[in-house]
Amino acid sequence: AQTVTQSQPEMSVQEAETVTLSCTYDTSESDYYLFWYKQPPSRQMILVIRQEAYKQQNATENRFSVNFQKAAKSFSLKISDSQLGDAAMYFCAYRSALHPPGSARQLTFGSGTQLTVLP
Amino acid sequence: NAGVTQTPKFQVLKTGQSMTLQCAQDMNHNSMYWYRQDPGMGLRLIYYSASEGTTDKGEVPNGYNVSRLNKREFSLRLESAAPSQTSVYFCASSEEATFLLQKLFFGSGTQLSVL
Repeated sequence: AQTVTQSQPEMSVQEAETVTLSCTYDTSESDYYLFWYKQPPSRQMILVIRQEAYKQQNATENRFSVNFQKAAKSFSLKISDSQLGDAAMYFCAYRSALHPPGSARQLTFGSGTQLTVLP
Repeated sequence: NAGVTQTPKFQVLKTGQSMTLQCAQDMNHNSMYWYRQDPGMGLRLIYYSASEGTTDKGEVPNGYNVSRLNKREFSLRLESAAPSQTSVYFCASSEEATFLLQKLFFGSGTQLSVL
């Protein structure tokens, strides 16, 4: 079974600065997907960024980028030019690329990192 | 742009009471999911449904039942609520048939307290 570990329960960053959230995972599979989700106080889960394991290039979405180290099974999220609206709980998640017929692919989540942005 | 709609948003139950959490999606997705979120534990999968008429257990299915009423709706039922089921519940959906869409769309959650 896959596991996802987020070792930083809380992080803080000064507005306009850069912060990196850590995530490691354990799997025996070679093909999979990794995600970062943001959960603001509204509770809505919002997809921030995703990475396909077969792609060596790190994914980027505006101010959000990842550092994907497949051999080390590490998937960190970097937020540049942090804004007050970035304050939220951030979840790292893993999803297998295997797709047995008639099944649905499951998402395995880490325990989350609460990010505070200081004005 | 409704996406995934969950009802109710908040609920308080007494131990032993029953209730059903409703979920509907308007994106024509095949797969739907129920997760629970507890402090320090992230989201854990309760049940999922790959398509209309099929359901499967996830990581923490005990004490719950589900119904995939049609392609749009996926309900979660607590037959006899217990304090251990106090949690925030999320419904989600995704399109499995399209390899490009490897992401879940979430509802806004239901805060359930069992006294």
